[in-house]
Amino acid sequence: AQKITQTQPGMFVQEKEAVTLDCTYDTSDQSYGLFWYKQPSSGEMIFLIYQGSYDEQNATEGRYSLNFQKARKSANLVISASQLGDSAMYFCAMREGSDSWGKLQFGAGTQVVVTP
Amino acid sequence: SAVISQKPSRDICQRGTSLTIQCQVDSQVTMMFWYRQQPGQSLTLIATANQGSEATYESGFVIDKFPISRPNLTFSTLTVSNMSPEDSSIYLCSAGTTIEQFFGPGTRLTVL
Repeated sequence: AQKITQTQPGMFVQEKEAVTLDCTYDTSDQSYGLFWYKQPSSGEMIFLIYQGSYDEQNATEGRYSLNFQKARKSANLVISASQLGDSAMYFCAMREGSDSWGKLQFGAGTQVVVTP
Repeated sequence: SAVISQKPSRDICQRGTSLTIQCQVDSQVTMMFWYRQQPGQSLTLIATANQGSEATYESGFVIDKFPISRPNLTFSTLTVSNMSPEDSSIYLCSAGTTIEQFFGPGTRLTVL
């Protein structure tokens, strides 16, 4: 069964606008971590933000924030004030369990295109 | 944050041959991970490499095809053996901490 679901295969957003990328997850573990990555056309995977299942506050990193709704099992990424350089593929990932060194499971990704 | 380097960055290989990819981390890490990203797809974990023990492979990946070495806490290699065109992918090494997981720049492999 799919553990991480990203339902938006692609999105267009205008420069300076905010965009929300959806991510839902499926786990029976109480302890887990959620990650977002950016992959530009160069192929590198850039770590953006992390949210732990026990974190009470939503994670924020600069223009990135994570809208964590635990009861709904969603971890949406919000990019504020989009820039042309934000055009990339974005992946949501989850690490399950209390094993801090566990593997990441990735969603299918969302392609974001920022237009002038 | 960990800085991860990989060699080679890309290669074009003939079917039936093998390629070894190297991954170097700038700090000691407990676990290192190898992922594959097929064209237009998401990342799939191949195996987890723990120093001093055999790698743990995910379903669909076997040691004979993807042997892994982990001689110390900063270095690992992944070999893609007896390659076929279906092995054409980006191969990524990963390592990190509890709240951060970093990736190397990837190795773009094309098998003809």
